[in-house]
Amino acid sequence: SQQGEEDPQALSIQEGENATMNCSYKTSINNLQWYRQNSGRGLVHLILIRSNEREKHSGRLRVTLDTSKKSSSLLITASRAADTASYFCATDAVGGGSNYKLTFGKGTLLTVNP
Amino acid sequence: NAGVMQNPRHLVRRRGQEARLRCSPMKGHSHVYWYRQLPEEGLKFMVYLQKENIIDESGMPKERFSAEFPKEGPSILRIQQVVRGDSAAYFCASSSIAGGGGYTFGSGTRLTVV
Repeated sequence: SQQGEEDPQALSIQEGENATMNCSYKTSINNLQWYRQNSGRGLVHLILIRSNEREKHSGRLRVTLDTSKKSSSLLITASRAADTASYFCATDAVGGGSNYKLTFGKGTLLTVNP
Repeated sequence: NAGVMQNPRHLVRRRGQEARLRCSPMKGHSHVYWYRQLPEEGLKFMVYLQKENIIDESGMPKERFSAEFPKEGPSILRIQQVVRGDSAAYFCASSSIAGGGGYTFGSGTRLTVV
């Protein structure tokens, strides 16, 4: 799998349910970020978690990071139809002087049905 | 603060023409990054620039593609002699420091080559 790979590729749930998306990566990282992209639009930054953090919350979002497994999860609680979008994780690699370079996965397409 | 401004939002070019994509970073941001998103894919890093300098162009094709960030004015991504495979969404991001998160993305330019 490539750096910053999300699963599942697509997720369809009912409004009010929770949605969990996972991300795996290969190399050591400084930070991991989650972004949302509505169809045909730009990226919106959701949350950043640093490599020395294990869990972070922001509103209905909960992100976990397990550096030993090189994986992260994004949980959206009490989902709404407006949460329908693609969700991407992005990592920046430690070392090599290129920590500015983000590596994105292919994303999870979340559909929340009203 | 208007955020990262990209224009045009949509650009249609015939094969062999030139495409010029513009990006104005957020006020106070001197670091600019260009990413390309092919259909159904995540974003791929192309180039990182600071004012008047290209820092890292490792993700940019060596032929036909060039980027600049002049002292005055927006950053420009230029694609000469476009081909159908150049059809993609091109996103610009900016930051006040290199690395460490804190990236703001623009809404992108969707290039279609016919």
